Amino acid sequence: DIQMTQSPSSLSASVGDRVTITCRASQSIANYLNWYQQKPGRAPNLLIYAASSLQSGVPSRFSGSGSGIDFTLTINSLQPEDFATYYCQQSHTTPWTFGQGTKVEIK
Amino acid sequence: QVQLQQSGPGLVKPSQTLSLTCAISGDSVSSNSVTWNWIRQSPSRGLEWLGRTYYRSKWYNEYAVSVKSRITINADTSKNQFSLQLDSVTPEDTAVYYCARALSYARFDNWGQGTLVTVSS
Repeated sequence: DIQMTQSPSSLSASVGDRVTITCRASQSIANYLNWYQQKPGRAPNLLIYAASSLQSGVPSRFSGSGSGIDFTLTINSLQPEDFATYYCQQSHTTPWTFGQGTKVEIK
Repeated sequence: QVQLQQSGPGLVKPSQTLSLTCAISGDSVSSNSVTWNWIRQSPSRGLEWLGRTYYRSKWYNEYAVSVKSRITINADTSKNQFSLQLDSVTPEDTAVYYCARALSYARFDNWGQGTLVTVSS
């Protein structure tokens, strides 16, 4: 199975900050990488697919980059509703696997 | 607008079978451009993809190796829904279970509301 490792596991930030979350795959996955946001008690919500494509309806302050092994999710100008846990997911090879999550907390 | 509505018991006894259903509105379980998936989430395992069913002129199923000997995912075209059965459950199967639709790039764009299933006697 392809292992996905996110860093950091958690971070504290303020409204208006720029936040960067990284995800590393255990082998090359080209651009088969998706990002999700999850709030407590809710299902994950798709933000980014194919490493850098913004899912319809997702605010443009979210962006993704990377290919191969290393990927980044960036949130520009963090908003109050962005405090949540973020997950990456590889879609290169089944079984689809997820990172362990990055919790973004209020500083 | 696609909606997935999950149903099924929240408590299952050890060694018994976990059964959940995901009713689809706004799409067809027989669509040849999507797949229908089950995913679970627990503090110990995180988000774990369990398997999928999909139609491409015929029905296909694919399961995670970790549960392959115990899992069955079926589509019911008459009710436009799909189901999960997980046999011989143990307390390690306690988790929130989600159904989800996947589009290209296996991106999960629509999810059910989640069902907390506890395995306990």
